[in-house]
Amino acid sequence: DTAVSQTPKYLVTQMGNDKSIKCEQNLGHDTMYWYKQDSKKFLKIMFSYNNKELIINETVPNRFSPKSPDKAHLNLHINSLELGDSAVYFCASSQQSNQPQHFGDGTRLSIL
Amino acid sequence: GNSVTQMEGPVTLSEEAFLTINCTYTATGYPSLFWYVQYPGEGLQLLLKATKADDKGSNKGFEATYRKETTSFHLEKGSVQVSDSAVYFCALSDRGGADGLTFGKGTHLIIQP
Repeated sequence: DTAVSQTPKYLVTQMGNDKSIKCEQNLGHDTMYWYKQDSKKFLKIMFSYNNKELIINETVPNRFSPKSPDKAHLNLHINSLELGDSAVYFCASSQQSNQPQHFGDGTRLSIL
Repeated sequence: GNSVTQMEGPVTLSEEAFLTINCTYTATGYPSLFWYVQYPGEGLQLLLKATKADDKGSNKGFEATYRKETTSFHLEKGSVQVSDSAVYFCALSDRGGADGLTFGKGTHLIIQP
């Protein structure tokens, strides 16, 4: 019954590896997002997709590539992981882009 | 650009005390305003929202009023409980949400019994 679910919850990996985080929402929402929360709890938008189309791409390195196979899924793939990528990544969704967003529980990424 | 400024934490209060967490914003348009709460180890949950000037959002005893003249959206609760301990984020959505949510840095609230 989870509305927005992310997997995995924890991800520990070494520098230079490639990893993916999956996100699924069962709310029938049209818009999905990825946010990054740093060690000081600051949250920043990374990407936004509306009906599988990219509408926001903030100043995020090209190593980060979102993929939306359908409007219920927005996965985040990260190439060549760096120490600075360590953070909690949150997926969210909303019915429309100006509606309240529903968040997943986050994925804690730790780079060794 | 858009920005949200919240009071720095942590804020430590005794149970049943009155709570105010200040939030001010700058926006290029006419934003919607939100308060989100994050409990330890969990994602963010919408606490309340307001979409136009003088709107009051309320939920679980928390309230916030959209003040356009002072560009503020302060969060208040009359009597806090230990279970209110969490991190609270003020956020705005501008241009119809086209830019996603802009968050403040969060305020860590600690309620002591």
